[in-house]
Amino acid sequence: AQSVTQPDIHITVSEGASLELRCNYSYGATPYLFWYVQSPGQGLQLLLKYFSGDTLVQGIKGFEAEFKRSQSSFNLRKPSVHWSDAAEYFCAVGPYGGSQGNLIFGKGTKLSVKP
Amino acid sequence: DTGVSQNPRHKITKRGQNVTFRCDPISEHNRLYWYRQTLGQGPEFLTYFQNEAQLEKSRLLSDRFSAERPKGSFSTLEIQRTEQGDSAMYLCASSTDGPRGYEQYFGPGTRLTVT
Repeated sequence: AQSVTQPDIHITVSEGASLELRCNYSYGATPYLFWYVQSPGQGLQLLLKYFSGDTLVQGIKGFEAEFKRSQSSFNLRKPSVHWSDAAEYFCAVGPYGGSQGNLIFGKGTKLSVKP
Repeated sequence: DTGVSQNPRHKITKRGQNVTFRCDPISEHNRLYWYRQTLGQGPEFLTYFQNEAQLEKSRLLSDRFSAERPKGSFSTLEIQRTEQGDSAMYLCASSTDGPRGYEQYFGPGTRLTVT
């Protein structure tokens, strides 16, 4: 069955430090891959997406992610974290079976930023 | 560009009562999705509309749940005879048609508390 694994439930980094959030997926074909961010009590904002082509994709707020087919991974990175990046981050994969487009999400990684 | 809106933002109800939530998608989007998110989990797919047609329903959508999108614009999600296990954040998302349909934009959610 298709699945998304985010191994880290909670990560704390210092402001200005680099960040990498891990995402592994299980899917029978080349998936579409997404990273979303959710601030407390809010909906999800799309950070970036991978459909095809260049495996390094740029997103909003200075984030980037790299698709590695051999490792079934799509890790999110940022070179220098800002206090406003504290939030929960979700990796998602689609399409799902014969579905027309619903996404499968990981359980999320909560990011805390130390001053 | 107005985003996806959801009303109400919060709903507290007693067990056994019926509740209805509304979602207004981005105006040019003809796909609309409902997801449910419980504490510590990523969003889980409930159902999906293409215009006014409900094309897919998750096994999570029990008989007590019904969703409509009567004119292909806004959508409602009704839960009958609410149970404490229905307490969750209900998220609505919308997208365009075609391959970019996987690029979903989420509303702020409706948080339901069943007492």
